[in-house]
Amino acid sequence: QSVLTQPPSVSGAPGQRVTISCTGSSSNIGAGYDVHWYQQLPGTAPKLLIFGNNNRPSGVPDQFSGSKSGTSASLAITGLQTEDEADYYCQSYDSSLRGVFGGGTKLTVL
Amino acid sequence: QVQLVESGGGLVKPGGSLRLSCAASGFTFSDYYMSWIRQAPGKGLEWVSYISSSGTTIYYADSVKGRFTISRDNAKNSLYLQMNSLRAEDTAVYYCARGVIAARGYYFDYWGQGTLVTVSS
Repeated sequence: QSVLTQPPSVSGAPGQRVTISCTGSSSNIGAGYDVHWYQQLPGTAPKLLIFGNNNRPSGVPDQFSGSKSGTSASLAITGLQTEDEADYYCQSYDSSLRGVFGGGTKLTVL
Repeated sequence: QVQLVESGGGLVKPGGSLRLSCAASGFTFSDYYMSWIRQAPGKGLEWVSYISSSGTTIYYADSVKGRFTISRDNAKNSLYLQMNSLRAEDTAVYYCARGVIAARGYYFDYWGQGTLVTVSS
């Protein structure tokens, strides 16, 4: 039971668009704290994908985008490729708990 | 390039202790907050602790408060996590991560490869 709620899994066909939601509360996302996203490929460490709600670090393709509204945020992935199969985590700051993560979403490319 | 290399993981009995280290290179270590984040086998990420650049501000997750101690040595570009009174539920891969303080929170822009801690009798 993570502080931030994500769907356990999403799937899509190659070339399609998928979104992953991240729902928080008034003490984290709803309090105005930024949401960040990480991609974890199988057997590897997490990698920063989106920071500050909708900013991509250098080297991250523009097929990945983020948004935030109210107590929720979303990660969108367009033009799905098999190499996008990974676990995706959202992260924010909580005024009581400090660092908080979502439970993670497993993306399957059909 | 930024590198974070953890070490010190291993098998320890319940109630035992372990000290993790993270060697940093490729950036000015003393300019950054640093964190430990863990991932139990087959589970999600859990933030464990962070320490400010100077070491004066420290926070812990409730699950480890009173048992774990984070510290850093800026002269040695190293981050540490002293783990005492270990429990089976502390079994996880422990990642060292560089923290970036933003206007509304913070995030982790570089991660180490992780070190596995197994607590079992």
